[in-house]
Order: sequence, then structure tokens, then C-alpha cells
Amino acid sequence: ELKVEQNPLFLSMQEGKNYTIYCNYSTTSDRLYWYRQDPGKSLESLFVLLSNGAVKQEGRLMASLDTKARLSTLHITAAVHDLSATYFCAVDKETSGSRLTFGEGTQLTVNP
Amino acid sequence: DGGITQSPKYLFRKEGQNVTLSCEQNLNHDAMYWYRQDPGQGLRLIYYSQIVNDFQKGDIAEGYSVSREKKESFPLTVTSAQKNPTAFYLCASRRTRNSPLHFGNGTRLTVT
Repeated sequence: ELKVEQNPLFLSMQEGKNYTIYCNYSTTSDRLYWYRQDPGKSLESLFVLLSNGAVKQEGRLMASLDTKARLSTLHITAAVHDLSATYFCAVDKETSGSRLTFGEGTQLTVNP
Repeated sequence: DGGITQSPKYLFRKEGQNVTLSCEQNLNHDAMYWYRQDPGQGLRLIYYSQIVNDFQKGDIAEGYSVSREKKESFPLTVTSAQKNPTAFYLCASRRTRNSPLHFGNGTRLTVT
């Protein structure tokens, strides 16, 4: 059974600081996705990582994938309040028949 | 504009009643998914369908049923057999296995 673990689950940051969210998964996969969810809202796609070593950047967020370590990171640079949200990673297992398994989510709060 | 429409946004039912949640997409995506989200938790897969007239159980299918008679539509029925139906239900679709999921805005179901 595929397990996806994120840490930390809760993160409180000061504006302007950097931090990294980690996503570990238990079985072979080369497709990993990051999503953002604002309170009471649906999920919005942030990044699609499709190969070992993939790196994607959008604004203050950068995501990377290491399939050998079964690890993805979401790095936040110079955080701003607007980044406050819950961030989920999701893994598409190679033999799962097109189903995604989600991590528990990391609730990020950026304080002024 | 293409997208996924879930209705209604809020739904209230009495215990023992079946209820059907609607999900319609005009993105021409083959694959569609139903996830359940409980407060402060990640998403758990209920059912998914990769093609019309075919669907597979996810991790928590007990007490739920689906149909996929048309490409655009993937309704979810929450039956009286589902022990804890109160939750936020999210429908999603995607174009290919290399694509992210596109989510609807969700239906918040409360059963009392």
C-alpha cells in the first residue's frame, strides 16, 4: 500500500523567512504533484513533477523530486502572508491505474 | 470556460437517507475521481473512473456508489450504509496520467 507522509503538518513562519516542506512516499513513483488549498475552498494545482531531478519554480515556491530517495520538497523563499494555506503533495503510483494518493497536508501560517 | 461543476455546494440530510452528489465536467477528460476530506485531514479516494461505463473502488468505497454513463458526468451516491457521511466531497478529473487533477469546488454534506 502506498503511503505518503508530509512534514511538518503545521508550520508557522515569519514573513521574509525561508522554509522547506517535505513529502516522503513509500513505493516507486515518478509522478508527484503539489496542490494548495485555502480554508473552505477546493484544491489548486501548483506543480507537476514527472521525473527524477525535476525542479519547478513559481514565484516564491520551488518544488523538486528525488525518486531514488522517494522524496519531494516544497521550498518557500521569503514568505509572505498570501502564502498562508494548506499544501498537499500527491503521488501517482506506477501500477495504481491512474489513482493519486495524497499526503495529510501541511498547514502553513505566515505571520507579519 | 472549461471546468468541473459540483452541486449543490451545501447539502443537509437526515440519517438513513441516500443522497446523490452531482459532478459535471466540460474539459473532455476521460478520468474522473471522487475524494472525501474530513476536517484537518488529507484527501481519501472513494471511487474513480478512467473511461465511460467503467469505474474502480478507491480506498474508502464502502457505503458509496457511482455511475459513469456519460463522459461528462460522474455522480456519487452516499448511501445509508455509510457510517460517517458528514464531510467535504471533492470531484476531480484529469486529461492524462501526466496531468494534474482539476478539482470542482466541492460539496459540503452534513448528515444529522
